[in-house]
Amino acid sequence: AQKITQTQPGMFVQEKEAVTLDCTYDTSDPSYGLFWYKQPSSGEMIFLIYQGSYDQQNATEGRYSLNFQKARKSANLVISASQLGDSAMYFCAMRGGMDSSYKLIFGSGTRLLVRP
Amino acid sequence: DAGVIQSPRHEVTEMGQEVTLRCKPISGHNSLFWYRQTMMRGLELLIYFNNNVPIDDSGMPEDRFSAKMPNASFSTLKIQPSEPRDSAVYFCASSRFPGYTFGSGTRLTVV
Repeated sequence: AQKITQTQPGMFVQEKEAVTLDCTYDTSDPSYGLFWYKQPSSGEMIFLIYQGSYDQQNATEGRYSLNFQKARKSANLVISASQLGDSAMYFCAMRGGMDSSYKLIFGSGTRLLVRP
Repeated sequence: DAGVIQSPRHEVTEMGQEVTLRCKPISGHNSLFWYRQTMMRGLELLIYFNNNVPIDDSGMPEDRFSAKMPNASFSTLKIQPSEPRDSAVYFCASSRFPGYTFGSGTRLTVV
């Protein structure tokens, strides 16, 4: 069975500093994908970054990077140079492979608050 | 591309009434997912379609919930009869490997 764990219910970061949001996962599928989504107070789910299980390099998208450590089954999101607009809920998600019917499941989320 | 379109954005209904939520996926996406988000349970996958066929409905909470996808461009999630504990935000997402795009959600309140 697939499982995603986010152990930080809430975090604070000072504006312009970097912050790491933790995510660990568990799956028996050899092929899987890891995602991070941002949910601001307006409620929409915004895709941030994707990492495939066979990707050799860590994914990066602008100020977002994914620290993928396959042996440790972790996929932490790093946000560099935090901005006030980064204050939101952040969800880690995993798409399983054929054994999991390619389902996308979510962790419980981390609420990030950026302080001015 | 208009994205995933959900309607209505907000729905308030009385307990016992039938509620139908609608979703139009992105053209060319072959998978469609329905999620429910609550404070207590987070984001739960309710049901998943691939090429209009239901693949996994193990997350559907009970028989009061049903979902259909009659064609590639339309899906519905129906609750009959609705109960106050069904109050939540319901998201539809469509997918074409490897990405997933979410609609804006329907906020359902059952009073």
